Amino acid sequence: DAMVIQNPRYQVTQFGKPVTLSCSQTLNHNVMYWYQQKSSQAPKLLFHYYDKDFNNEADTPDNFQSRRPNTSFCFLDIRSPGLGDAAMYLCATSRGLAGGLNEQFFGPGTRLTVL
Amino acid sequence: GQQVMQIPQYQHVQEGEDFTTYCNSSTTLSNIQWYKQRPGGHPVFLIQLVKSGEVKKQKRLTFQFGEAKKNSSLHITATQTTDVGTYFCAGPGNYGQNFVFGPGTRLSVLP
Repeated sequence: DAMVIQNPRYQVTQFGKPVTLSCSQTLNHNVMYWYQQKSSQAPKLLFHYYDKDFNNEADTPDNFQSRRPNTSFCFLDIRSPGLGDAAMYLCATSRGLAGGLNEQFFGPGTRLTVL
Repeated sequence: GQQVMQIPQYQHVQEGEDFTTYCNSSTTLSNIQWYKQRPGGHPVFLIQLVKSGEVKKQKRLTFQFGEAKKNSSLHITATQTTDVGTYFCAGPGNYGQNFVFGPGTRLSVLP
């Protein structure tokens, strides 16, 4: 029944040790988003894919990369996590882009802890 | 760049009282969306407004889109403890590709 699935739900990594978070969707949506959300803050968009087209936000650090091998899956790679990267990472999907009538469906998130 | 503001940042109400959160954009929006995030949860879509001056209702929730399409409000009548959470508005970014979220209004409801 789940539509946007994120794995793992909790991830603990060490400072500087690469980590990959995954997201899958059963909605067949064209757009997939990765957000970073820190405590008591709004979700902050890192990047999004429209189909295979990748769009990086201007202020997303180079430390963050993403892959979308097919429609259903999208990955967030953090190459060298720092303490400031500890956060909830939310994946979301939508049928189309923000300018249209397209709601976002969010996954449950992955909470990343950096030791 | 585009900015989306929300007030208040926090609101504490007694159960049964009404609640309103306001959203303001620095630019005209083609549409605006509202999301609710329960404590420990993820944002859940509530509604999308498109037309100037549009008003939509969902049970005790009333959503408005301003005439100039630069502001919006969410009003909850007779709050319940199940209304607890953070309410975010979100509008299309500068190029209409992504969503820009407001900082949110955190609602606490005292029983």
